[in-house]
Amino acid sequence: QSVLTQPPSVSGAPGQRVTISCTGSRSNIGAGYDVHWYQQLPGTAPKLLIYANNNRPSGVPDRFSGSKSGTSASLAITGLQAEDEADYYCQSYDSSLSGWVFGGGTKLTVL
Amino acid sequence: EVQLVQSGAEVKKPGESLKISCKGSGYSFTSYWFGWVRQMPGKGLEWMGIIYPGDSDTRYSPSFQGQVTISADKSISTAFLQWSSLKASDTAMYYCVRQTHSGSHDYWGQGTLVTVSS
Repeated sequence: QSVLTQPPSVSGAPGQRVTISCTGSRSNIGAGYDVHWYQQLPGTAPKLLIYANNNRPSGVPDRFSGSKSGTSASLAITGLQAEDEADYYCQSYDSSLSGWVFGGGTKLTVL
Repeated sequence: EVQLVQSGAEVKKPGESLKISCKGSGYSFTSYWFGWVRQMPGKGLEWMGIIYPGDSDTRYSPSFQGQVTISADKSISTAFLQWSSLKASDTAMYYCVRQTHSGSHDYWGQGTLVTVSS
């Protein structure tokens, strides 16, 4: 059971917008620690998608965006494409554990 | 170009020891934290711990403290993850990562699959 809670799965049709939530607590997201998001395509290593809540590394399309409010964060994907089908993970620092933690992951299915 | 290149897949028996490696290149190895992430078969990502090669400061997740040892040799820009006595439950893919000062993992190795089976 991860300290960051994500929905196990989300789905959407091509072209649609989907959001993935990441719910934490006062010892991680709510304490002001940055949230990062990763995309893991099948059979590959994860890739950094969003860092420090709402920043995209070079090369990541602007269809991907992140936000944070209170003890939660969200990843939004607009203009859904078949190639976006992957697992997505949030990550933050947890002061109770004195280390970084990942959410349980969300499988995105493009219908 | 930043690259993290990990050692190859391993098949071991329970009780055996193991040390896997990850070589960083294309950046100043001693200027970034270097970490390890576990992914058990069909499961999510788990942060194991990090090391700062500049001074060997090491931090572990409580879940992995005492179970593994993280080290680094800055003379060869390589970090290591080792076990003294493997268990079947250590079967997983292990990724090395470069961790930035904000805590994000901006570069990942290709992964090392460790299989522990009698």
